[in-house]
Amino acid sequence: AQKVTQAQTEISVVEKEDVTLDCVYETRDTTYYLFWYKQPPSGELVFLIRRNSFDEQNEISGRYSWNFQKSTSSFNFTITASQVVDSAVYFCALSEANSGNTPLVFGKGTRLSVIA
Amino acid sequence: EPEVTQTPSHQVTQMGQEVILRCVPISNHLYFYWYRQILGQKVEFLVSFYNNEISEKSEIFDDQFSVERPDGSNFTLKIRSTKLEDSAMYFCASSEGILNTEAFFGQGTRLTVV
Repeated sequence: AQKVTQAQTEISVVEKEDVTLDCVYETRDTTYYLFWYKQPPSGELVFLIRRNSFDEQNEISGRYSWNFQKSTSSFNFTITASQVVDSAVYFCALSEANSGNTPLVFGKGTRLSVIA
Repeated sequence: EPEVTQTPSHQVTQMGQEVILRCVPISNHLYFYWYRQILGQKVEFLVSFYNNEISEKSEIFDDQFSVERPDGSNFTLKIRSTKLEDSAMYFCASSEGILNTEAFFGQGTRLTVV
C-alpha cells in the first residue's frame, strides 16, 4: 500500500531563513513518481515538481531544491531565503507507475508560514 | 498557458439536493480526475476517467457519485443526494496520460452542504 508522511504539520520561519519540508513515502513498487504541490491561501493546487524513482539527482529551481534519497524513502523540499509569498500548504504526493496514470496519494501537508 | 477551469468556484446546497460540478480539462489531456479535500485535511482521490470510462475509483466514490464527459470539453462530477459530510473542496485535474505525467489541477469548487 502506498503512503506519504509529512510529519511537520506547521512550520513558521522568519523571512530570508531557509526551510526544509520533509516527506517520507512507502510503496511496494520499484517504479513510482513523487510530486510536490503548493496550495496558497487562495486554495488552488500548484504543481512544483515531478521526479521518477530512477532519477535520484537532486534538483534546483531558483530558490527551491529537492533532495530525493531512495535509501531513506524521502523526498525533501528546501526553500532557500524564504519569502512571505512562500506561505502556503505544501503537499508531497506519490503515484505508482502503471500502464496508465495511477492516482496521486497525498500526504497531509505542511503549512508553512513565513513572517516578515 | 493552458489551464484546468472549474465552475462554480463556490456552491451552497441543501442536504439531499443533487449538485453537478463542472470542469474543463486541458484540451490535449487524456486522463481526468476528481479529488476532494475536506477543510484542513489532505487531498483524497475520488475517480479517474480515461477513454470515456472510469479507469479507477476510490472507496469514497460510492453510488452517490457519478462522472460524465457529456461533450468534447466538459467533465462533470454529480453528487446525487448530498450529505453534510460532502462539504469539501473538489478539485478537477487532468494529465497528458503518458507515464504518470504531472496532473494539473483546477482552482477547485468549494461545496457547502447545509
